[in-house]
Amino acid sequence: QPALTQPASVSGSPGQAITISCSGTSSDVGVYDYVSWYQQHPGKAPKLIIHDVSKRPSGVSDRFSGSKSGNTASLTISGLQAEDEADYYCSSYTSSTVRYVFGTGTKVSVL
Amino acid sequence: QVHLQESGPGLVKPSQTLSLTCTVSGGSITSGNYYWNWIRQSPGKGLEWIGYISHNGRTYYSPSPRSRMTISLDTSKNQFSLKLTSVTAADTAVYFCAREGAMDAFFDSWGQGALVTVSS
Repeated sequence: QPALTQPASVSGSPGQAITISCSGTSSDVGVYDYVSWYQQHPGKAPKLIIHDVSKRPSGVSDRFSGSKSGNTASLTISGLQAEDEADYYCSSYTSSTVRYVFGTGTKVSVL
Repeated sequence: QVHLQESGPGLVKPSQTLSLTCTVSGGSITSGNYYWNWIRQSPGKGLEWIGYISHNGRTYYSPSPRSRMTISLDTSKNQFSLKLTSVTAADTAVYFCAREGAMDAFFDSWGQGALVTVSS
């Protein structure tokens, strides 16, 4: 099934801010404010860090923020820390029968 | 805090049936208004939503494996299960169970995932 497009990797130094893009279509990201972001460390369960484009669940650091413009959503991690090194996936509700489409995933490295 | 844990065979032969169970702890699968989902991640590929069962047993499947899939509830054990028949190598993946609020559009709790390899 079609996937949302993310950069394969993004890196930054401790303390810097990085942004991960998530490009979709007018059937998903562009039409629904139901974009979510998940952090996944190797061998671990994905963890919800952003939902409904920009809302943070309780307990998630305010260093994580989300936004959307047109068919593209973005996740910004500010004040980058070593513990932020992980894979990040976006997801969007979609008008198709598959209900949800996920991003291709971005590996974040802290230099 | 709800916790989900997948279990099941890690190796399945082609054409046979893949069976996985998700055990939910820290909350009843029949209380509250939740969808209990299966999501898989194939090697080198991304995440794919494949289906859910609601707290009252209603199911919804992705078109791709729909004809081969069954998701069911076992309320006595607080578990829900996935059966996928006639598997091929393309079904090799890490299978995750995940919870979704019926009024939400995101997955707020996930299991750690179970790797299932389809091979003879």
